[in-house]
Amino acid sequence: SQQGEEDPQALSIQEGENATMNCSYKTSINNLQWYRQNSGRGLVHLILIRSNEREKHSGRLRVTLDTSKKSSSLLITASRAADTASYFCATDPMDSNYQLIWGAGTKLIIKP
Amino acid sequence: DSGVTQTPKHLITATGQRVTLRCSPRSGDLSVYWYQQSLDQGLQFLIQYYNGEERAKGNILERFSAQQFPDLHSELNLSSLELGDSALYFCASSGNRYSMGPDTQYFGPGTRLTVL
Repeated sequence: SQQGEEDPQALSIQEGENATMNCSYKTSINNLQWYRQNSGRGLVHLILIRSNEREKHSGRLRVTLDTSKKSSSLLITASRAADTASYFCATDPMDSNYQLIWGAGTKLIIKP
Repeated sequence: DSGVTQTPKHLITATGQRVTLRCSPRSGDLSVYWYQQSLDQGLQFLIQYYNGEERAKGNILERFSAQQFPDLHSELNLSSLELGDSALYFCASSGNRYSMGPDTQYFGPGTRLTVL
């Protein structure tokens, strides 16, 4: 079953604005990862944050992790049309049988 | 380019038929994962192989089977196909799970299966 739940399910913003997506999970984790999927294409790894990290940056991406609340957020600053995609969080649970647990994704649309 | 290749890109077949999807992982990656993604849905984990052996099973139907060969490429076999099997099938690969480090997965471009 899916552990991660992304919120919102869909988000539409103007180009240049910031986009924030959230992910909640249920069990203790080793790390949490965010992936992007352009329509009909394979997923692309964006960023990984370990359970002992609270914040991580990569270019225009900022990820936070709150293990006490079992939640993470992905912030994309100064959005561009090319950021239009679905964004998935995936957790690596401590008690996993070697598989990532995937959320249902947030569909982000950037309007020009 | 992730370094993971999948063939074919598209597959159209009829109900009741059997198909084989192929995946070549990134050079050096020992793990291969198979996922199913129905239209506008999230990823459903099917099965994982590590260095030729089955490591984890997810929501894989009995009509589906997979294997990983000595050269580490993998095949997913889907039989007695039904209309509901129409989906994107992704393969992903990663490095050594025992590294205790991050388990980032690298995805192939997918195979779009259409069952008519």
